[in-house]
Amino acid sequence: AQRVTQPEKLLSVFKGAPVELKCNYSYSGSPELFWYVQYSRQRLQLLLRHISRESIKGFTADLNKGETSFHLKKPFAQEEDSAMYYCALGPSGNTPLVFGKGTRLSVIA
Amino acid sequence: NAGVTQTPKFRILKIGQSMTLQCTQDMNHNYMYWYRQDPGMGLKLIYYSVGAGITDKGEVPNGYNVSRSTTEDFPLRLELAAPSQTSVYFCASTLRLGDRWGNTEAFFGQGTRLTVV
Repeated sequence: AQRVTQPEKLLSVFKGAPVELKCNYSYSGSPELFWYVQYSRQRLQLLLRHISRESIKGFTADLNKGETSFHLKKPFAQEEDSAMYYCALGPSGNTPLVFGKGTRLSVIA
Repeated sequence: NAGVTQTPKFRILKIGQSMTLQCTQDMNHNYMYWYRQDPGMGLKLIYYSVGAGITDKGEVPNGYNVSRSTTEDFPLRLELAAPSQTSVYFCASTLRLGDRWGNTEAFFGQGTRLTVV
């Protein structure tokens, strides 16, 4: 079964500290993974997709097929990074994106 | 370019009342979704559609109904509202061509905050 696990419901870090938001997936096929972000009282929006291998707002994520992980990282957290982050898996077939439960990141000044 | 538009933004319902949450997108996307987000919690998929005339249940479909008569519209119907349906509802859409997601991006509406009292 397709599943996305974000083990941390809440993550608090100090400004300037490194951030790592964990995401593990369960999928037998070749995964396509995404990170979405939701700032306070705003709609969800795409942050990055693994296929692009890009850095957005200082965030990067590497797909590790051996560990079935797609952790989101940023070397120096900023206050404006405080938000809800969702990891999502794009399965094959006529099935929708599968979202994890989300991790709320709080960056403390 | 409106993207995904949901109406209404806020609504208070009494127990047992019914309502329809409207969702429309102008991007000619084939996939559309309805999620609910309970306070402090993540997204739960209610229903989704892979194209006009095709709908399927998600994780939490009980108490809801959907239809997809056109590509643009994907209304969510609540029958006999219950306090457990108090939540924020998000509609989303994606364009998926073929079997890979590739450069797909899910576009979300701004949400409908529903309270059932």
